[in-house]
Amino acid sequence: EDQVTQSPEALRLQEGESSSLNCSYTVSGLRGLFWYRQDPGKGPEFLFTLYSAGEEKEKERLKATLTKKESFLHITAPKPEDSATYLCAVQAGGSARQLTFGSGTQLTVLP
Amino acid sequence: DADVTQTPRNRITKTGKRIMLECSQTKGHDRMYWYRQDPGLGLRLIYYSFDVKDINKGEISDGYSVSRQAQAKFSLSLESAIPNQTALYFCATSDPGTSGANVLTFGAGSRLTVL
Repeated sequence: EDQVTQSPEALRLQEGESSSLNCSYTVSGLRGLFWYRQDPGKGPEFLFTLYSAGEEKEKERLKATLTKKESFLHITAPKPEDSATYLCAVQAGGSARQLTFGSGTQLTVLP
Repeated sequence: DADVTQTPRNRITKTGKRIMLECSQTKGHDRMYWYRQDPGLGLRLIYYSFDVKDINKGEISDGYSVSRQAQAKFSLSLESAIPNQTALYFCATSDPGTSGANVLTFGAGSRLTVL
């Protein structure tokens, strides 16, 4: 059974204080690992897909990395507008397989 | 206009009532999904459809049914709502493309409260 665990559940940072969110996963045959951002009252918004260990992707202040057991979402010099819940999900096997989501990390960046 | 539109956005109903949540998408994708989100539990898959004639149960399909009226329309029904179906419901669509990875595009959500 595919499993995804995100930590911490909640994180409060001061503006400019860099940190990382963790996504640990157990899956047989990773097809892709996904990061989403979810703002209150809205649907998750796609950020990144990582396909294999060693891969990295960046978007503005966010950088996602992947190993064989976990993924990190690094946030460099965050701003208050980065406050959101960040969701991680994995897809195993073929394109017909469904995603398994973690429960998310709620990030608050204080001005 | 949003790529994935859900109606209603908010609904309060009573136990035993029949409820339908509707979803339409303009992405032109064949695949559509219904998820439920509860605090601390993440997103859980209710039903999914790979085309108009294909409907599949997800991990928590009991108490729910779906209808795929067209490529762009996928509705979720609660035949007899109960309080533990109070949750935030999301519709999504995807196109696995050449990578086979199902990048989901979500709607804004439908908040359902069952009293």
